[in-house]
Amino acid sequence: EAQVTQNPRYLITVTGKKLTVTCSQNMNHEYMSWYRQDPGLGLRQIYYSMNVEVTDKGDVPEGYKVSRKEKRNFPLILESPSPNQTSLYFCASSLRMVGPLHQPQHFGDGTRLSIL
Amino acid sequence: DAKTTQPTSMDCAEGRAANLPCNHSTISGNEYVYWYRQIHSQGPQYIIHGLKNNETNEMASLIITEDRKSSTLILPHATLRDTAVYYCIVRRGRFGAGTRLTVKP
Repeated sequence: EAQVTQNPRYLITVTGKKLTVTCSQNMNHEYMSWYRQDPGLGLRQIYYSMNVEVTDKGDVPEGYKVSRKEKRNFPLILESPSPNQTSLYFCASSLRMVGPLHQPQHFGDGTRLSIL
Repeated sequence: DAKTTQPTSMDCAEGRAANLPCNHSTISGNEYVYWYRQIHSQGPQYIIHGLKNNETNEMASLIITEDRKSSTLILPHATLRDTAVYYCIVRRGRFGAGTRLTVKP
């Protein structure tokens, strides 16, 4: 089954303790992206990757890191989490996002992070 | 930088057509219009997309004005399960707050 898998689904942790949220897709998609969703603000893009070893900042990249060492995985890293990073996070992937053949995004089920 | 404007909320009677508008007056010539929806806190689900022609699939129809400055998503026979937040986007990564559609019995 084609899917985007995020782990963990839920996490409660404390300020300053490094954490990684994994994202994996099995559709051989080139494009992957991370979003956060907060009440009243919709989805805001954190980072995206057009392909392996290519990553770019989205609208709200501060406090986050990403890597794209292989096509299927796009982990989101919080080196020193703070309470303002408490949010619902979504990973998404798309076959491609440029040119006339660009395709819609497929989203994971979300990761709810609480930073105390 | 293409931005979209959508009403905050809308209601629709079950079985009737739901027409959700979106304004994207700064859209560029090669930017597509995409519609997604999000039910509760699940991951957004793709509905439909188009460039300048009207489009229809098994879920919905998309009507894009000739000048491409606005579009309308049409759910022809809304059901209670269509209650969700609907997002219109024209630029990769820019989702906005969307329209909360409530389908009522």
